[in-house]
Amino acid sequence: SQKIEQNSEALNIQEGKTATLTCNYTNYSPAYLQWYRQDPGRGPVFLLLIRENEKEKRKERLKVTFDTTLKQSLFHITASQPADSATYLCALPPNNNAGNMLTFGGGTRLMVKP
Amino acid sequence: NAGVTQTPKFQVLKTGQSMTLQCAQDMNHEYMSWYRQDPGMGLRLIHYSVGAGITDQGEVPNGYNVSRSTTEDFPLRLLSAAPSQTSVYFCASQESWGETQYFGPGTRLLVL
Repeated sequence: SQKIEQNSEALNIQEGKTATLTCNYTNYSPAYLQWYRQDPGRGPVFLLLIRENEKEKRKERLKVTFDTTLKQSLFHITASQPADSATYLCALPPNNNAGNMLTFGGGTRLMVKP
Repeated sequence: NAGVTQTPKFQVLKTGQSMTLQCAQDMNHEYMSWYRQDPGMGLRLIHYSVGAGITDQGEVPNGYNVSRSTTEDFPLRLLSAAPSQTSVYFCASQESWGETQYFGPGTRLLVL
């Protein structure tokens, strides 16, 4: 069955540095991949969607890459700020790319220290 | 737009009690979903709907019922609450397949 893996250990970085989070998946050939941000006590908020034919996508200080050969997506936050501290989730559609069933990774908590 | 709203925000139940978690969206989205989030488990899909009158099971449907009589509302019913259903529940909606999911603020449920 499909599996999504994100580093469950928190990532601690210094303000101003680039944060890089990883999302690995197995037994998948997804048509797209999404990244969400979740703050404590709140629901996830959509950040970026990248499709299988896109190698890279950017939005302000955010950059997402999608390597379908490695079955991996990298999520970068450049010039990180303490306000970027949150849990970041990746999500993929089911293996048959049909239906409404996004599958989420467990998320990686990012802590940006001033 | 209010987006996706959920009530209540917090609920305490005794084992065996039943209750309904409410979810509503005002974006005219066809797709709606219910997830539960537990520490170390991530978000897991309970039930989902691709339109009024159409529902289907997700990864962890046991102990939960849903119905979708209108586009706006997608209530989640716990038939007989168990301590294992202690969790945070999120409702989400999306316009169509492959699009962004919009999440509600969540309902924190404690079953004693």
